[in-house]
Amino acid sequence: QVQLVQSGAEVKKPGASVKVSCKASGYTFSNYGISWVRQAPGQGLEWMGWIGAYNGNTNYAQKLQGRVTVTTDTSTSTVYMELRSLRSDDTAVYYCARDRGAMDVWGQGTTVTVSS
Amino acid sequence: DIQMTQSPSSLSASVGDRVTITCRASQSINTYLTWYQQKPGKAPKLLLFTASSLQTGVPSRFSGSGSGTDFTLTISSLQPEDFATYYCQQSYNTPRTFGQGTRVEIK
Repeated sequence: QVQLVQSGAEVKKPGASVKVSCKASGYTFSNYGISWVRQAPGQGLEWMGWIGAYNGNTNYAQKLQGRVTVTTDTSTSTVYMELRSLRSDDTAVYYCARDRGAMDVWGQGTTVTVSS
Repeated sequence: DIQMTQSPSSLSASVGDRVTITCRASQSINTYLTWYQQKPGKAPKLLLFTASSLQTGVPSRFSGSGSGTDFTLTISSLQPEDFATYYCQQSYNTPRTFGQGTRVEIK
């Protein structure tokens, strides 16, 4: 079946970086883009960025420009999201989602906790 | 960026009630509007895309309408499993933007 499986929970110190993976299966990876969405505790959904799995083109939320990078490894059908210079307000659940305009398949979420 | 505003922020309803949630875009987005349902501790689930197209497997009591800037999500007869938070999202352009969510609670 179509699924996205994300890497496990992370605990990081302020100023560090985190890299979350999202492995796709059950569909032709290069036919879809992948978006990253995060959700801080008790808050709504925030779109972070997108990558076209077919060409590697990226688009990022302006507020995260310079701190976030999304990459893809087509040989393993895996997308990576790296967030640098972590702050306490980056504490959130991070989701990847297959994006065909609507996000129709979601990963299970990765909790990233930023704490000293 | 296109701003998405949902109303109400929360509502209380009973099983069997008809529920309507509104989403307004700050500029025209044609019908590039998606609705999601999220339950606590779970990833969002796609309900409707292009404003009114029901995702496969989603019950027909969910429906959507609208175009341009004003959209609605309707649940015709609320079921116990429908108590959740609902989000709209525009896919007209990037950055993708979400509404702030509408929490549907049990009355």
